Amino acid sequence: KAGVTQTPRYLIKTRGQQVTLSCSPISGHRSVSWYQQTPGQGLQFLFEYFSETQRNKGNFPGRFSGRQFSNSRSEMNVSTLELGDSALYLCASRTGEYNEQFFGPGTRLTVL
Amino acid sequence: KQEVTQIPAALSVPEGENLVLNCSFTDSAIYNLQWFRQDPGKGLTSLLLIQSSQREQTSGRLNASLDKSSGRSTLYIAASQPGDSATYLCAAGGESTGGFKTIFGAGTRLFVKA
Repeated sequence: KAGVTQTPRYLIKTRGQQVTLSCSPISGHRSVSWYQQTPGQGLQFLFEYFSETQRNKGNFPGRFSGRQFSNSRSEMNVSTLELGDSALYLCASRTGEYNEQFFGPGTRLTVL
Repeated sequence: KQEVTQIPAALSVPEGENLVLNCSFTDSAIYNLQWFRQDPGKGLTSLLLIQSSQREQTSGRLNASLDKSSGRSTLYIAASQPGDSATYLCAAGGESTGGFKTIFGAGTRLFVKA
């Protein structure tokens, strides 16, 4: 069974631009969560989608948004990029909220 | 508000040693606790998941225990190998304002010397 895939793996943007990251969950998994990982703040929860509905959201500004499609694939969008948005963005999928989470390899975003 | 702490932040041991990594959480009303390993610049690899009704889980040389009443979990690694060198993270899942959330600790960076 294929694991969680994320595209692109690396991205370089400049301040003020916007970016879209993509995540394909494990087949059969309807829940997709997004996390931001930085050396200073560690792993922080962004949001979770289940069956195309945002079920939960972390403490991030409205510049961070996401969506989930009917095939469970998810996208995350960050608008008006800031230098502090440079991070590893991780996506995780699972069958339900009480179940084991499986992570993708991440997208490394660098904002110049 | 759930807080997850991992001690120590870093650990260096000789190959072959048995070791214990600690994870503590402030809110004992968790549904599950999951241990992960992360290699530098990579995603997280799931090691073990313990549901709140369970006391421990084992996989190969790894054994994880959960004591909800004391707010603690431990990951025991037997006969450590250089390939075990990585950062180990624990994550507590439970209900919080806004719904179910998974809160991660900052991790323990493990180095196993050959």
